[in-house]
Parts: sequence; structure tokens; C-alpha cells
Amino acid sequence: KQEVTQIPAALSVPEGENLVLNCSFTDSAIYNLQWFRQDPGKGLTSLLLIQSSQREQTSGRLNASLDKSSGRSTLYIAASQPGDSATYLCAVAFQGGSEKLVFGKGTKLTVNP
Amino acid sequence: NAGVTQTPKFQVLKTGQSMTLQCAQDMNHEYMSWYRQDPGMGLRLIHYSVGAGITDQGEVPNGYNVSRSTTEDFPLRLLSAAPSQTSVYFCASSLTLPNSNQPQHFGDGTRLSIL
Repeated sequence: KQEVTQIPAALSVPEGENLVLNCSFTDSAIYNLQWFRQDPGKGLTSLLLIQSSQREQTSGRLNASLDKSSGRSTLYIAASQPGDSATYLCAVAFQGGSEKLVFGKGTKLTVNP
Repeated sequence: NAGVTQTPKFQVLKTGQSMTLQCAQDMNHEYMSWYRQDPGMGLRLIHYSVGAGITDQGEVPNGYNVSRSTTEDFPLRLLSAAPSQTSVYFCASSLTLPNSNQPQHFGDGTRLSIL
């Protein structure tokens, strides 16, 4: 079964810390992997999309990496700020399921001032 | 540019009632989809559409209908609401299917409670 797992479910860090969020997936045959941010009561905002042929993508203080062979992706957030507090979701487009994304349950990040 | 607009934002229904959740996008996206988000679970695909006049089922389609008469609109209909359909519903759109290099754009969701 194609599944996406995110550990931990929640993470609390002090402001200014560099941090890593983890995502693992069960099948290495993927088209792409996306990281989303979800604020309370809001929809999902796409942060980064990594195609299966890529190893990483960067946007500002965010860097996402992809290792298909091990079924892992990480989202690195540099110099965290209280405004980064949100739930971060990882989603995978698996081959054989091109019509949908399979989502992890998310990591709830709290950055304390 | 409004992006993906969902209405209503909140709704309370009684068991057995029917209703339509509206979704509209102004980005000329061909692909549109509906997900539900439940506590302790990831988002799950209900229905999707790859263009006007074309719809198909996702992984949890029972109890829901969709139609796509225009590129812009993709309404989700609950035929006879059940408490198990209490959830947050998200509409998403993109230029093409999720297997492309195009990111998904999400609406702000409809929070639905079935009593």
C-alpha cells in the first residue's frame, strides 16, 4: 500500500533554531513530492515541489531534499521564526496513482519567541 | 486573482439533508479535485476532474456526487448527509494532473458538521 508518514507529529523549537521535518514514503516509484504549509482554519499552501529526477529544491529559508531509494524527504527550515508556526504536510504523487496526492498526517511546528 | 474559492466556509446539517459545496477557480486550471481532512488522518481524495465534462472517483467517493460543466466550477454534492461525513472539505486545482511539475492550489476549506 502506498503510504506517507511524517514523524514527529508535533515539534516545538525556540526562535532562531535550524530545524528538519521528516517525510517517508513506502514506494520509490514516484512522480513528485510536495511540501505544503497549513495554518489553522486555512487551506494548504504549496511550499516546494520536487520532481522525481531532482534531489532538492530551495525557496528562501526552506530547502527540501528527496532520496527516492530510501523513500525519504526532509524539509529544512533555517533560522526559524514564530511566523513559521504551522502544520507542514508532505504529499506524494505515486506512479500508478497519477490522479491524486497521498498525504502524510503532518507535523505541527511551534516556534517560540 | 482570487485563486480557489470555496463556499460556504461553515455549515451545519441534519442527518439526511442534502447540500452542495461550491468550488470555483479563476486560473484556467484543467484539473480540479475534492479532498476531505479528518483528525488523525491525511487528506483523502473524494472525486476529481481532468477537464470540463470529465469526472472520476477518488478513494472515498461514496455519498458524494460531482459535475464539471465549466472549467471554472467543480461543485460537490452530499446526497443524504450522514454523521460520518462531518469533516473539513478542500477543493484543489492545478494546470494538469498531480503527476506533473505543477503545484496544487487549495481553497480555504468548508467545515461541515452533520448532526
